[in-house]
Amino acid sequence: KQEVTQIPAALSVPEGENLVLNCSFTDSAIYNLQWFRQDPGKGLTSLLLIQSSQREQTSGRLNASLDKSSGRSTLYIAASQPGDSATYLCAVSSRGKIIFGKGTRLHILP
Amino acid sequence: NAGVTQTPKFRILKIGQSMTLQCTQDMNHNYMYWYRQDPGMGLKLIYYSVGAGITDKGEVPNGYNVSRSTTEDFPLRLELAAPSQTSVYFCASRHGTSNVGELFFGEGSRLTVL
Repeated sequence: KQEVTQIPAALSVPEGENLVLNCSFTDSAIYNLQWFRQDPGKGLTSLLLIQSSQREQTSGRLNASLDKSSGRSTLYIAASQPGDSATYLCAVSSRGKIIFGKGTRLHILP
Repeated sequence: NAGVTQTPKFRILKIGQSMTLQCTQDMNHNYMYWYRQDPGMGLKLIYYSVGAGITDKGEVPNGYNVSRSTTEDFPLRLELAAPSQTSVYFCASRHGTSNVGELFFGEGSRLTVL
């Protein structure tokens, strides 16, 4: 059974800092891993999608890496801004299902 | 394109009532999913479908039913509503011939059972 864990559960950092969010999964037989952002009371917005054959993906200040063999992914956010405050979720596509972690609640301090 | 559309956005039910949450996508996606999200938690998979006529259980299927008669629609049925089903429900879809498609979400349906 695939299980997805995100650490830390919550994080507060001053504006301008670089930060890393972590995602781990128990079954390495995945098709892809996707990072999402969710603002309070809103739906999910896709940030980055990494296929199982890829090592990383970049979009602007965001960089996501994938190490399938060790069951880990990281989301790197450069030069954080108050507008980055949100909950970040990772989701793993595995054996037809897409399983989510519980998310990391990020607060960027102005 | 409208993407993934969910209705209703909000609903209050009494214990024992039934209702259907509607989900429609206009992207011709094979795969569709229903999730529930409880406060402070991630998303739990209720049911999913890999194409019209095919559905399968997710992590938390009890108390729910689905059908997939067309590619576009994937309704979620609650037969006997219970307070434990108070949650926000999200429908999602993706292109699925290769299992690698990006997942797109609806805006959610907030359900309260009293």
